[in-house]
Amino acid sequence: DQQVKQNSPSLSVQEGRISILNCDYTNSMFDYFLWYKKYPAEGPTFLISISSIKDKNEDGRFTVFLNKSAKHLSLHIVPSQPGDSAVYFCAASPRQGGATNKLIFGTGTLLAVQP
Amino acid sequence: KAGVTQTPRYLIKTRGQQVTLSCSPISGHRSVSWYQQTPGQGLQFLFEYFSETQRNKGNFPGRFSGRQFSNSRSEMNVSTLELGDSALYLCASSGYGTDNSPLHFGNGTRLTVT
Repeated sequence: DQQVKQNSPSLSVQEGRISILNCDYTNSMFDYFLWYKKYPAEGPTFLISISSIKDKNEDGRFTVFLNKSAKHLSLHIVPSQPGDSAVYFCAASPRQGGATNKLIFGTGTLLAVQP
Repeated sequence: KAGVTQTPRYLIKTRGQQVTLSCSPISGHRSVSWYQQTPGQGLQFLFEYFSETQRNKGNFPGRFSGRQFSNSRSEMNVSTLELGDSALYLCASSGYGTDNSPLHFGNGTRLTVT
């Protein structure tokens, strides 16, 4: 049972344009969401996170939006740069009610930014 | 600050053997988690340690075990290796218990079982 889903395995965007990566989740106990970027042969690199008490969080070129009623979050990258080309993972954590850092990951979206 | 350090980077083992992987968290981090990444199953949670205690465990067989030392360094062990254990094993550390501090990952240990 895939609790965190990234339905687009890949996305291609022109340099300078907006990249929008999407993620859906099914477990209403999730209250903390993160996006990671991963290059081959490296570990995931943390990008940005959002708590369930917010609906938007910005950090430079990266913005994460959370729609709790739809159980949907998205990552916007503006403007996209060739160095952003990587696999992006959405992750969720049920931190509420327990002391845990356990993350449930989506299957990833491969972003290719074309020069 | 140095990042999460995992050793070794690469390992080749034979089916039936056992293996120990090591992880040094970011200085000051007390929570250490382990994940397995495979092409078929993606990134899956193995277990999490906080202050030398395992506080969460994923759905993996008992052949997978771990421990954390008083300096927060952690090891995971896989006994009686199977071909399907070939994967990238990732360690991650985090600052505190339940505050919203993100996990920071190491570059992993690539285990190949032949």
